[in-house]
Amino acid sequence: DTEVTQTPKHLVMGMTNKKSLKCEQHMGHRAMYWYKQKAKKPPELMFVYSYEKLSINESVPSRFSPECPNSSLLNLHLHALQPEDSALYLCASSHEGHTTDTQYFGPGTRLTVL
Amino acid sequence: GQQVMQIPQYQHVQEGEDFTTYCNSSTTLSNIQWYKQRPGGHPVFLIQLVKSGEVKKQKRLTFQFGEAKKNSSLHITATQTTDVGTYFCAGWEYSGAGSYQLTFGKGTKLSVIP
Repeated sequence: DTEVTQTPKHLVMGMTNKKSLKCEQHMGHRAMYWYKQKAKKPPELMFVYSYEKLSINESVPSRFSPECPNSSLLNLHLHALQPEDSALYLCASSHEGHTTDTQYFGPGTRLTVL
Repeated sequence: GQQVMQIPQYQHVQEGEDFTTYCNSSTTLSNIQWYKQRPGGHPVFLIQLVKSGEVKKQKRLTFQFGEAKKNSSLHITATQTTDVGTYFCAGWEYSGAGSYQLTFGKGTKLSVIP
């Protein structure tokens, strides 16, 4: 099974809402990633968890709060977002988080902030 | 900070013609990865290059990593309609203190005219 699943597929939220994005993999990978991708732009790395510990935080605003409950799950909690945060949020996983690992991407959650 | 330039931004080719996209980094890369993203889809890993001057082939795709590990290219021979999508390079750079930075190129969007 080389699949990374993400829920929900689409999310519309207001600027005062609190919501969460979920990501799951059952490949036994120990590293998981969150990316943000705006239309016609490349993915931008947001966070990396390695062995359930946050190893990279690319200066992301605190209105995005990642959580890694266990090695198979990765959440992204959203609060007080801005319209410019509307984007495709991609989750990925890799074997151990080494730079030479292959990253497997999920289908993404398309987020719209009103 | 690290910058990864990718050209061209768009490429329209007749089916059967060749296609090349180029990636150039402002700094020396630890390794470079190539991804393909179909319209409406998510990035899918194609290949990784680690060694200086490395050349790898996957059927009609040829990937090269420059001697200085600052540039890379992807060449597709005899394009097919199934090659349509955006091709991204992604380079990892060592940023010190055991940390690495990942930067994606802006991508080259390939259209194939049947």
